[in-house]
Amino acid sequence: EAGVTQFPSHSVIEKGQTVTLRCDPISGHDNLYWYRRVMGKEIKFLLHFVKESKQDESGMPNNRFLAERTGGTYSTLKVQPAELEDSGVYFCASSHPSGTMKETQYFGPGTRLLVL
Amino acid sequence: AQKITQTQPGMFVQEKEAVTLDCTYDTSDPSYGLFWYKQPSSGEMIFLIYQGSYDQQNATEGRYSLNFQKARKSANLVISASQLGDSAMYFCAMRELNTGANSKLTFGKGITLSVRP
Repeated sequence: EAGVTQFPSHSVIEKGQTVTLRCDPISGHDNLYWYRRVMGKEIKFLLHFVKESKQDESGMPNNRFLAERTGGTYSTLKVQPAELEDSGVYFCASSHPSGTMKETQYFGPGTRLLVL
Repeated sequence: AQKITQTQPGMFVQEKEAVTLDCTYDTSDPSYGLFWYKQPSSGEMIFLIYQGSYDQQNATEGRYSLNFQKARKSANLVISASQLGDSAMYFCAMRELNTGANSKLTFGKGITLSVRP
């Protein structure tokens, strides 16, 4: 079974440009999460999809970030326009709904974004 | 206040020895779950072990075990018989029931472990 995949693995863009990150969850996982790790800091939650619906987007930093999950399969996270502070590693995770606290999120390898 | 604290900046262990990675947490929710993930240099976060707040016994998964001290709010990861492949960054994370059973994880800053041959 394929794990969570993310594309691209690395992205270097200039301030003001747009970048779109993609996440393909594990097949059958209704839950999809985006997290971000800025260098030297904690991994921070951005948002959570259940199928195509946004369940929790409390971690989205501002309206320059737009996440979508059309059809409840893969998800995209667009940053427009990118700022220097957006640099970091963006992780995607997915889980199969179990309704228990033990529900495990499986992570992708992350996209390393550098905004110059 | 930080919900998950991992204060060890970097740890070194000799191959085949045991090592403990510390994690303390802060929550007022009586129901919560604690997770440990490993992130090798390849970047992918690998789930290692889970401990529920109501679990009576410390969790174990192969060479990984949790030293769960609820009153102290600590959930230290113990790796026995360290291997060179254990060199990685290790993250402690928590899920609280009041945010939903399938909700977000709150992470610590991570600890870097280096295993020496």
